[in-house]
Amino acid sequence: NAGVTQTPKFRVLKTGQSMTLLCAQDMNHEYMYWYRQDPGMGLRLIHYSVGEGTTAKGEVPDGYNVSRLKKQNFLLGLESAAPSQTSVYFCASSYHGGERIYGYTFGSGTRLTVV
Amino acid sequence: TQLLEQSPQFLSIQEGENLTVYCNSSSVFSSLQWYRQEPGEGPVLLVTVVTGGEVKKLKRLTFQFGDARKDSSLHITAAQPGDTGLYLCAGMTTDSWGKLQFGAGTQVVVTP
Repeated sequence: NAGVTQTPKFRVLKTGQSMTLLCAQDMNHEYMYWYRQDPGMGLRLIHYSVGEGTTAKGEVPDGYNVSRLKKQNFLLGLESAAPSQTSVYFCASSYHGGERIYGYTFGSGTRLTVV
Repeated sequence: TQLLEQSPQFLSIQEGENLTVYCNSSSVFSSLQWYRQEPGEGPVLLVTVVTGGEVKKLKRLTFQFGDARKDSSLHITAAQPGDTGLYLCAGMTTDSWGKLQFGAGTQVVVTP
């Protein structure tokens, strides 16, 4: 039972390059999220999805795009990387049944450096 | 500006001591969660609290949700080196249903 899998684990990009971060979950969760984690700032929500084919902006969406073509996958794209996007990126998924709130399951993260 | 303020930012104690981490906000939360994160890994859920005044215990960890559902605390009794990690609180408000907002975290180091 893999849970949430993120690829790649590490990446170095040059300014202006593009890349896609992949997230896959095998728990049949409806909700998926992309966060970035920076020292002293905690986890900040970039984009999220409440179901296949739907996406929405979070707290810090600028410079990122996402797609959720399949329920189990959530992709985060950087079209033109900037040094300010150097961070650790976490994908998470969750299940929400009615009004009950369940915890997030996180992947192990992607450490991205933009030079 | 952080919606959730955690204190202290860093805590270093000896094995066997007790510690308390605080999570405060001016907002009312429909639920609040605590996570622990170890280096190179994603956060792992410890507990969810939803009722004002609620107290939950997980072995040596005690979690409390404030009566007004604006604050929470995590108390660890007789800390062990295995308790070392970044402790994050995260809350969900009624108008942000489905989306957690995280505090900046408290780094706890327990030395033998």
